[in-house]
Amino acid sequence: DGGITQSPKYLFRKEGQNVTLSCEQNLNHDAMYWYRQDPGQGLRLIYYSQIVNDFQKGDIAEGYSVSREKKESFPLTVTSAQKNPTAFYLCASDRTGFGGYTFGSGTRLTVV
Amino acid sequence: GQQVMQIPQYQHVQEGEDFTTYCNSSTTLSNIQWYKQRPGGHPVFLIQLVKSGEVKKQKRLTFQFGEAKKNSSLHITATQTTDVGTYFCAGESSGGSNYKLTFGKGTLLTVNP
Repeated sequence: DGGITQSPKYLFRKEGQNVTLSCEQNLNHDAMYWYRQDPGQGLRLIYYSQIVNDFQKGDIAEGYSVSREKKESFPLTVTSAQKNPTAFYLCASDRTGFGGYTFGSGTRLTVV
Repeated sequence: GQQVMQIPQYQHVQEGEDFTTYCNSSTTLSNIQWYKQRPGGHPVFLIQLVKSGEVKKQKRLTFQFGEAKKNSSLHITATQTTDVGTYFCAGESSGGSNYKLTFGKGTLLTVNP
């Protein structure tokens, strides 16, 4: 079955360490997105990519970095510069112009 | 930038009662989408509305898009315990090539059996 795989489901890191969250899709979708979800805050866009080798900053890109070397993959690195990294991170994809995002099951990151 | 406001933030109902959540955008939208997120889960796409004044139904769920394409609503008739979750609206701005959605903060629905 097609879908988006995020790994790991739970991640613990020490403060000051960079960490990379994986997102892979086999839906042949062009666009991919990273959102951060905090309690009561809804979903906030971190980065998005509409084609391979191209990506744009979202509303809260500071302290994060991404790459899009393959259509199927859009990893997110949470750097030590991100002041409040503990959150639920969601990856999504869609066929540009067709509406409706498909979300992965998310990675819950805790930084101690 | 574009803002999408959603009310109420929380709604608790008795099973069998109706439920409505409202979404308002600060800018005109090209389309609006609705998602449901079960507790501990991830958002799942429900529907997209594109036309001014559009009304769509999915069983007990009715979705409306306002005439000015700046507001939308989701109405659930006779809620069931399976309806529990957070309902998000998400709007895509009109014009340009910016395909990203702006999500509302969601309405958390709880249902007392």
